[in-house]
Amino acid sequence: NAGVMQNPRHLVRRRGQEARLRCSPMKGHSHVYWYRQLPEEGLKFMVYLQKENIIDESGMPKERFSAEFPKEGPSILRIQQVVRGDSAAYFCASSLLDRQGETQYFGPGTRLLVL
Amino acid sequence: SQQGEEDPQALSIQEGENATMNCSYKTSINNLQWYRQNSGRGLVHLILIRSNEREKHSGRLRVTLDTSKKSSSLLITASRAADTASYFCATNNAGNMLTFGGGTRLMVKP
Repeated sequence: NAGVMQNPRHLVRRRGQEARLRCSPMKGHSHVYWYRQLPEEGLKFMVYLQKENIIDESGMPKERFSAEFPKEGPSILRIQQVVRGDSAAYFCASSLLDRQGETQYFGPGTRLLVL
Repeated sequence: SQQGEEDPQALSIQEGENATMNCSYKTSINNLQWYRQNSGRGLVHLILIRSNEREKHSGRLRVTLDTSKKSSSLLITASRAADTASYFCATNNAGNMLTFGGGTRLMVKP
């Protein structure tokens, strides 16, 4: 029973390029959360998705960032025209249900470095 | 500012000693969770305490919650070198989204 998978684990981009981060939730989980972690800081919520729906994107920057969770395939976090400030670790988590307190299982993260 | 703030930011102890980390938060919560993160890795869920609970145990972990003071503590007893990691509290107050604190970096020296 594989856990949450994220790829790539490390991603290097130059300023202005696009970054695509993928997350495959645990088997049977239909709730996906994306978080961003800056160096030496805690995680900050970005977006919560269910299959084909964005439920809450209150933590997502208004420009350049988008997320999707299609009916088939992994969830994608897309960052267009990356800037140095986008360098961070991006974690995906999934849960079986969306009730409060439901355990979220985290992936290993994608570490994005923008040169 | 963040919902949860951990204290201390860094803690260094000898193996066998107890480690206590504190977390304060600002708004009302439904539950509070503690997570562990090894360097360069994802987060591992440790324990959840609901707002109507005051104390919870799991192995060498003991968590307390004081809703009147809006604070929680995580105690790791008889620490081991393998406990070296960052520990985060996270609150759950709307939906299932988590709001994390800045973390306590624990180092346990052998």
